[in-house]
Amino acid sequence: GAGVSQSPSNKVTEKGKDVELRCDPISGHTALYWYRQSLGQGLEFLIYFQGNSAPDKSGLPSDRFSAERTGGSVSTLTIQRTQQEDSAVYLCASSSQSTGVDTQYFGPGTRLTVL
Amino acid sequence: AQSVAQPEDQVNVAEGNPLTVKCTYSVSGNPYLFWYVQYPNRGLQFLLKYITGDNLVKGSYGFEAEFNKSQTSFHLKKPSALVSDSALYFCAVRDRWNRGFKTIFGAGTRLFVKA
Repeated sequence: GAGVSQSPSNKVTEKGKDVELRCDPISGHTALYWYRQSLGQGLEFLIYFQGNSAPDKSGLPSDRFSAERTGGSVSTLTIQRTQQEDSAVYLCASSSQSTGVDTQYFGPGTRLTVL
Repeated sequence: AQSVAQPEDQVNVAEGNPLTVKCTYSVSGNPYLFWYVQYPNRGLQFLLKYITGDNLVKGSYGFEAEFNKSQTSFHLKKPSALVSDSALYFCAVRDRWNRGFKTIFGAGTRLFVKA
């Protein structure tokens, strides 16, 4: 497909378990972003990858959160020892440049529920 | 610090009437400004952006937004609302001189258009 894809679409897990969320950006897009959207809330920036540069991790809420991007394409967001407050929709976006004028293309999101 | 304010959680308009969704921002320099829309059960979609030039920006689905530097605003407008415009709208800002990227999103405004 031509758009950003994310998997799984829904994830239900128990408190304390680890989860991995996957993002496949649009082919050729060098920039990739992760956001979190809690129920009824705005978008919370988590992390940003641009090419081979060191990622901007300043939005990660705790050291339980980490992300990697392999081969400049697919990204995985990992949440260790999940807590109930981690329940949210996790959105991934990609763009073709990082000069400040980029348009971000969003995936459908992964809805995470921590019981 | 960068910030974006969408002062209205919800906007209600009748179909056929003009609509305005408000956005004000705070950045240290000149901003890039964006509007995104999230339709029910669908991902976030880009609507329009202001980079430079004409203060009135035209975007998708008949929407437009006016950049007002003195009032630091970027209100979204449409001359005649449709029921299908009902969605969650996000304003976003990025400092054009900030090479560190971070696009900041507002909390969102839910638009209801009544038939």
